[in-house]
Amino acid sequence: GQQLNQSPQSMFIQEGEDVSMNCTSSSIFNTWLWYKQDPGEGPVLLIALYKAGELTSNGRLTAQFGITRKDSFLNISASIPSDVGIYFCAGPHGGSQGNLIFGKGTKLSVKP
Amino acid sequence: DGGITQSPKYLFRKEGQNVTLSCEQNLNHDAMYWYRQDPGQGLRLIYYSQIVNDFQKGDIAEGYSVSREKKESFPLTVTSAQKNPTAFYLCASSVLNTGELFFGEGSRLTVL
Repeated sequence: GQQLNQSPQSMFIQEGEDVSMNCTSSSIFNTWLWYKQDPGEGPVLLIALYKAGELTSNGRLTAQFGITRKDSFLNISASIPSDVGIYFCAGPHGGSQGNLIFGKGTKLSVKP
Repeated sequence: DGGITQSPKYLFRKEGQNVTLSCEQNLNHDAMYWYRQDPGQGLRLIYYSQIVNDFQKGDIAEGYSVSREKKESFPLTVTSAQKNPTAFYLCASSVLNTGELFFGEGSRLTVL
């Protein structure tokens, strides 16, 4: 079945550093979504990508929809302590927008 | 305020007991979802519903049941047939056919 592979699994960085994480799939996706989950909370949507090659920003966050449609990248610039959390990529399972498949997440820790 | 509410936030139950988790939304969304999250894992879809009185199994539906009698409500019952029910359960809703999910704060179920 479809799987999303996220890397790295975890990151420990210093405040102010830039962060880059990615998500790959063996099959094509027509939508990529990035969510962030704070400890003990539900995930929150950060960025949604709908077109191959699309580059979208949300404040210090930038995400790209890979040209091959099999990958996506999320970058965070000038990290701050509140960036701590788990970042998930997601895409529609079997092409159905209503049925998302999630990666296992990248856990980000930021040292002040 | 518009949002999605899950209750209870924490629940302890003895093995063999059925448990029902509540999920209510006032966002006027047609679609609602239940996900399960285990430590170090991504979110796995249990059930989803795109219209009242209709729902579909997700990837891990065995041992769970749902109902959708009202647009606003999508309760999940964890039955005694679920072999490993201890987990963090997340409810979400969305506009139909979009992957832009709004999540509740989650319910943590511990089976003793």
